[in-house]
Amino acid sequence: SQQGEEDPQALSIQEGENATMNCSYKTSINNLQWYRQNSGRGLVHLILIRSNEREKHSGRLRVTLDTSKKSSSLLITASRAADTASYFCATDAGAAGNKLTFGGGTRVLVKP
Amino acid sequence: ETGVTQSPTHLIKTRGQQVTLRCSSQSGHNTVSWYQQALGQGPQFIFQYYREEENGRGNFPPRFSGLQFPNYSSELNVNALELDDSALYLCASSTPGQGQNSPLHFGNGTRLTVT
Repeated sequence: SQQGEEDPQALSIQEGENATMNCSYKTSINNLQWYRQNSGRGLVHLILIRSNEREKHSGRLRVTLDTSKKSSSLLITASRAADTASYFCATDAGAAGNKLTFGGGTRVLVKP
Repeated sequence: ETGVTQSPTHLIKTRGQQVTLRCSSQSGHNTVSWYQQALGQGPQFIFQYYREEENGRGNFPPRFSGLQFPNYSSELNVNALELDDSALYLCASSTPGQGQNSPLHFGNGTRLTVT
């Protein structure tokens, strides 16, 4: 079963616009991570936010975490055509760590 | 620093057959996890290996099994293949010695098609 559910399932924007996607999960977590996947390839880690953190930035990425609502958001600012990909949130809830539960992903298309 | 490599990249098998997928972890990473990703869905955790022993398993039947070798490389074996086993199989390495908060480094996967 998939703990995380992303919203929206798909997103189409113009280059230069911001892209926002949301993730909801069901159980308590140690951390939440966001990954990017280009078509048919492996996942690339973008950012990790711990359960005691509320916001984190990395370049054009901004992630928020609200543990009371069991939700997270990923914002990509000033999007580029190269940002076209699927984005997945993943939660790490196990005692031993690194056993991630992924959501279904948001497919982002950035049009030049 | 070498990344995670998987082989083969593509594979076609017939229902009922057995398959072995291989993974070399990133240099310095002693933990390997396997995930199954069906088309259009997120990856599903199969199992994890640490120091050559299974260290957690997802909701997959026993016909999914694995190995980890002393050099931390790993194999995923699937017996009695079913059509629903068609998916992208992803290997990821990590370093749990850094604690629970370490990201996964993924390979590009093996695309398995069962006919």
